[in-house]
Amino acid sequence: DIQMTQSPASLSASLGETVTIECLASEDIYSNLAWYQQKPGKSPQLLIYYANSLNDGVPSRFSGSGSGTQYSLKINSLQSEDVSIYFCQQNYDSPYTFGAGTKLELK
Amino acid sequence: EVQLVETGGGLVQPGRSLKLSCVASGFTFSSYWMYWIRQAPGKGLEWVSSINTDGGNTYYPDSVKGRFTISRDNAENTVYLQMNSLRSEDTAAYYCAKGHYSGDWFAYWGQGTLVTVSS
Repeated sequence: DIQMTQSPASLSASLGETVTIECLASEDIYSNLAWYQQKPGKSPQLLIYYANSLNDGVPSRFSGSGSGTQYSLKINSLQSEDVSIYFCQQNYDSPYTFGAGTKLELK
Repeated sequence: EVQLVETGGGLVQPGRSLKLSCVASGFTFSSYWMYWIRQAPGKGLEWVSSINTDGGNTYYPDSVKGRFTISRDNAENTVYLQMNSLRSEDTAAYYCAKGHYSGDWFAYWGQGTLVTVSS
């Protein structure tokens, strides 16, 4: 199975700040990577797919990048509604696997 | 507006069975792959199963293969998850998800239904 390692496990940032979350795959996943946002008490929502494609309706302050085994999610100008847990997920190979999540809080 | 409503969760004893349902609306159900994903309390996410548009192809991770069966009824806009031989480690919130138009992504998730396996 492909292991997805996210870092950091948690982070605290101020409103308006830029934050970056990293995701490392245990092997090359050829940009077959998505990012999901899970707000407290809610189900996850797709933010980014194919590493850098913004899903419909997702604010442009979210962006994804990376290739090979290393990927990142960047949030520009942090808003209060961005407080969430963020998960990466690969669909390059079955079983599809997720990272353990990054909990983003406001400072 | 896309809606996915899961039902069927509850408390079940180890070794018993449970069948989850997910009713979809707001999109052409028969055109999309559907998925089940689960999340143990306070834990991360685990893909559980996939089904293609006509139900002819299904996929599972080893953790549930042979015990869980995904199916769909395109006339009823419903996807199912039959879970047999349940174990305590199957305790989780189970989400159904709609596929994405461009690939095998979990584009939209239901609100989830909680399955608790305990004696």
